[in-house]
This record gives sequence, C-alpha cells and structure tokens, in this order.
Amino acid sequence: DAMVIQNPRYQVTQFGKPVTLSCSQTLNHNVMYWYQQKSSQAPKLLFHYYDKDFNNEADTPDNFQSRRPNTSFCFLDIRSPGLGDAAMYLCATSRDLARADQPQHFGDGTRLSIL
Amino acid sequence: AQKITQTQPGMFVQEKEAVTLDCTYDTSDPSYGLFWYKQPSSGEMIFLIYQGSYDQQNATEGRYSLNFQKARKSANLVISASQLGDSAMYFCAMREGGGGYQKVTFGTGTKLQVIP
Repeated sequence: DAMVIQNPRYQVTQFGKPVTLSCSQTLNHNVMYWYQQKSSQAPKLLFHYYDKDFNNEADTPDNFQSRRPNTSFCFLDIRSPGLGDAAMYLCATSRDLARADQPQHFGDGTRLSIL
Repeated sequence: AQKITQTQPGMFVQEKEAVTLDCTYDTSDPSYGLFWYKQPSSGEMIFLIYQGSYDQQNATEGRYSLNFQKARKSANLVISASQLGDSAMYFCAMREGGGGYQKVTFGTGTKLQVIP
C-alpha cells in the first residue's frame, strides 16, 4: 500500500547527462517536497510545490528543476549532474503547508550515482 | 543557531532493552510540532511519532514514546524492548507553526545499533 512512490530506486547517470527522477502519491496531498540527502547527513530541502505553486529554497542550485503536472506526480530534473550531486533524493508529501502538526510522508528514495 | 540538536551520533543497545535518543530544539514560536523519523539502511524515511507544543501528554505509539520536556526544550525518543529491526538512523525534526509556511528542520541524526 505504498502511498508515496519513487522511481527508480537506483539511478546511474553520466557526468553532465540530464536525469529525471519521479515521484507519485496516492494521498491526494497538496504539498510535495524534494530533499537531497548525502551520506550520514540530514535531508536538505531543495524545493516544494503547494498545489501548482513552486517554491525554491534559496541555496538550491540552478541545476535542479522540478515539475508538477498534476496533484499526483512530481519530477526532479537535474540538467547537468556533477559528481557532487550523487546522493539519495527523497520525495515527501504533506496535506497542508503551514500546519505544525502535519507529518511528512516520504517515499523510499532514489539513490543517484554519477559516473 | 541550530534549531534541532541531536548530540549522539551513534548509540548501541542490547536487544530487548530500552534506549533513549536525545533531541533538543530551539524556537520562539509557541506553536510547533516535533517529529521522529526512522531511516533504515535501505533509505526510506519512516514517520514514527509526533508531539505538538500544546499537547499536555507525552505521545506514544506502540514501543515508541516521546519524553517531551517543554521547559527544557527537549523531545527525546524512547524505544522500549529494542529489536534487531530497530537498527537504523533516527532523525528528530521540527516544524514551526506560526506565520505561514515553515519548513521542517531536521537534526543530524543518531545511528542506533541493536546488539543481539
């Protein structure tokens, strides 16, 4: 009964070759998030969508873009991956944006490797 | 200043024993939520337990309980009767609730290893 689904679980790409990671949700949540998590570190928020409104974190590199064509799907595009972009990428959802009592529901993550 | 501090990078516990993972937080917002997540080596983040700033009682979910001490700004996770499957990374997180959107802040995590 997976509710936040990320594909693929593992992705290998070449240095500089664009790559897209996907996330879908069956929770009908308004908010979808993308996090980057490097080894032994806390997840770092890249951006989020509230419905169709896109919000970029100030320190998210321009190399990272996102699309949300509908409520259920959200994509992370990395235009020219560098070696430093190798990480686990986590998608999460929450029902609302500003409620303090809303937990985030995470997918299983996509582990991205750069050759 | 760090909003969430987890001072234990790693912890060991004997199977069937209880263990406490520490978390302290810093906020001036009267409305906030505290969360604990478990991340096994496979990578998924699993929501464990939630405590609201206005909750009078400590949260409990099965073998997980949250020792919430508001005056000390601490929200420690207690796992009772540890199992081998509890070996994982544990993250404490906070979302502040006032004034519109507030992102979730994660601590640096504690790696728990359960010993048979």
